[in-house]
Amino acid sequence: EDQVTQSPEALRLQEGESSSLNCSYTVSGLRGLFWYRQDPGKGPEFLFTLYSAGEEKEKERLKATLTKKESFLHITAPKPEDSATYLCAVLGLQGAQKLVFGQGTRLTINP
Amino acid sequence: DGGITQSPKYLFRKEGQNVTLSCEQNLNHDAMYWYRQDPGQGLRLIYYSQIVNDFQKGDIAEGYSVSREKKESFPLTVTSAQKNPTAFYLCASSSGTSGRWEQYFGPGTRLTVT
Repeated sequence: EDQVTQSPEALRLQEGESSSLNCSYTVSGLRGLFWYRQDPGKGPEFLFTLYSAGEEKEKERLKATLTKKESFLHITAPKPEDSATYLCAVLGLQGAQKLVFGQGTRLTINP
Repeated sequence: DGGITQSPKYLFRKEGQNVTLSCEQNLNHDAMYWYRQDPGQGLRLIYYSQIVNDFQKGDIAEGYSVSREKKESFPLTVTSAQKNPTAFYLCASSSGTSGRWEQYFGPGTRLTVT
């Protein structure tokens, strides 16, 4: 069974303090790993897809990386508007088109 | 503007009543999904459809029903058989083609049953 575990559950940073969020996964052959951002009371917003180990993608202050067992979302010099819950999901070979989501990391950036 | 719309944003119902949540997309996507989100439990898949007139149960389908008569629409009915219907419901869609598996989400419907 495909599984995704995100850590930490919650993270508080000061504005400008860089850090990383972790997404560990087990999957029966990875077709894709996805990162989303979710603001309170809203639907998740798609950020990145990573397909194979070694791949990296960037968007503004966010950079996602992928190994065979985990993915990191690096946040460089964050601003208060980066505060949100970040969700990780995987799509395995056996999952039809069903994504398996982690519980999310709730990120708070204090000014 | 292409996207996914869900209506209504907030919905209140009494116990014992069925309720239907709307989901429409104009992204020309083949696949559509319904998720439920509860505090601290992440997203759980209720039903999904990869093509018109076909759909499959997800992980928590009991007490729910869906239809897919049009490519653009995938309504979800929460029946009185669903024991804990109060939740945030999210609809999503994806292209369904190889290499384009990312799902795009609507704004959600918050259902409260009392």
